[in-house]
Amino acid sequence: GIQVEQSPPDLILQEGANSTLRCNFSDSVNNLQWFHQNPWGQLINLFYIPSGTKQNGRLSATTVATERYSLLYISSSQTTDSGVYFCAVQVQGGSEKLVFGKGTKLTVNP
Amino acid sequence: EAQVTQNPRYLITVTGKKLTVTCSQNMNHEYMSWYRQDPGLGLRQIYYSMNVEVTDKGDVPEGYKVSRKEKRNFPLILESPSPNQTSLYFCASSLQGQNTEAFFGQGTRLTVV
Repeated sequence: GIQVEQSPPDLILQEGANSTLRCNFSDSVNNLQWFHQNPWGQLINLFYIPSGTKQNGRLSATTVATERYSLLYISSSQTTDSGVYFCAVQVQGGSEKLVFGKGTKLTVNP
Repeated sequence: EAQVTQNPRYLITVTGKKLTVTCSQNMNHEYMSWYRQDPGLGLRQIYYSMNVEVTDKGDVPEGYKVSRKEKRNFPLILESPSPNQTSLYFCASSLQGQNTEAFFGQGTRLTVV
């Protein structure tokens, strides 16, 4: 099946720093989403981005489907950005389930 | 507000005592599914439903049942819970299965003792 690899697995930042999280996938996809799992366990939708670039406040994402990767940019990080960031994909022509990466655990210190 | 609502958020139960986790969405989505999240194993799909009265097994269906009698509701049933079903459960919905954004409920943290 498809492999979804996220890097780095762990990231520690000081408040105000910028960061880039990466998601590589091994097959063609027709859906890619980024989620933030907060310390209470909730999965928050960040971006639905099968291709192209989107921005939402301090966050932006870019997916280059032909090269099978996506990037999530966090600028001017805040302590509330802490948590685990997941990339999830749907395989093109495959089942409808989302296949998740293992996540990047982000800790933002004040 | 468009949302997926799960209940309960937290549940501690004993082995063998039947339980139901409810899931409801108000977005008129056709596709709904259940995932479980476990340390080291990530999120895995349990069951899914393409539409009313249409359900099918995901990757880890053993020990679970589902039903889809109405479009908005997709309950997860554990007929005889066991400790290996202790997990964080998520319900999700999307307009259609493919090519549409999925939205997740708040999660249900289940402990079976």
